Amino acid sequence: EPEVTQTPSHQVTQMGQEVILRCVPISNHLYFYWYRQILGQKVEFLVSFYNNEISEKSEIFDDQFSVERPDGSNFTLKIRSTKLEDSAMYFCASSQPDREGANVLTFGAGSRLTVL
Amino acid sequence: AQKVTQAQTEISVVEKEDVTLDCVYETRDTTYYLFWYKQPPSGELVFLIRRNSFDEQNEISGRYSWNFQKSTSSFNFTITASQVVDSAVYFCALSVLYNQGGKLIFGQGTELSVKP
Repeated sequence: EPEVTQTPSHQVTQMGQEVILRCVPISNHLYFYWYRQILGQKVEFLVSFYNNEISEKSEIFDDQFSVERPDGSNFTLKIRSTKLEDSAMYFCASSQPDREGANVLTFGAGSRLTVL
Repeated sequence: AQKVTQAQTEISVVEKEDVTLDCVYETRDTTYYLFWYKQPPSGELVFLIRRNSFDEQNEISGRYSWNFQKSTSSFNFTITASQVVDSAVYFCALSVLYNQGGKLIFGQGTELSVKP
């Protein structure tokens, strides 16, 4: 079964460093997303991406964050100058339209970011 | 604004018991979609079901069933004859179709523990 793959599975970084989280969405999907989950809390929407541009972003997704689809397969989340509160699990997801209209998101296994 | 509330933070049952996970949603939109996702201890998010706002039929899939009631804005999830493998965090989510790539708004999650 097609899956969304994320790397790294766990990254430890020092506060102030830049981090890039990588995702390979399902190949025929058109919509891409990043979510985050702070330990023990709910899953929060960060950003959605379609047709090579951001289609929606949350208040959390400030200038510290950026996304990119550098080639035909990867979808990356960059966090500039990480803060302690950026420590979380980051989930990538992708989806494609179907007859229902609202896409079913397929999530990756997540990338755990620990900021020290 | 949209909101999903899962009032039960944790539920603990003994194997073979039935258990119902509650989900209440808020939206002013007439077209919306409701989802349930499972997050097992391994951490990934696994899609379980999608339901659109025009389809109030209950659904059964094996030991799982879902009760959608627009009158009470609820989309409850019942596991019959629970098993240890059902232990996970379960998230209810809402999507409003502003565009096809509509984001998911998650509830806080209910952690289900099924003891042998």
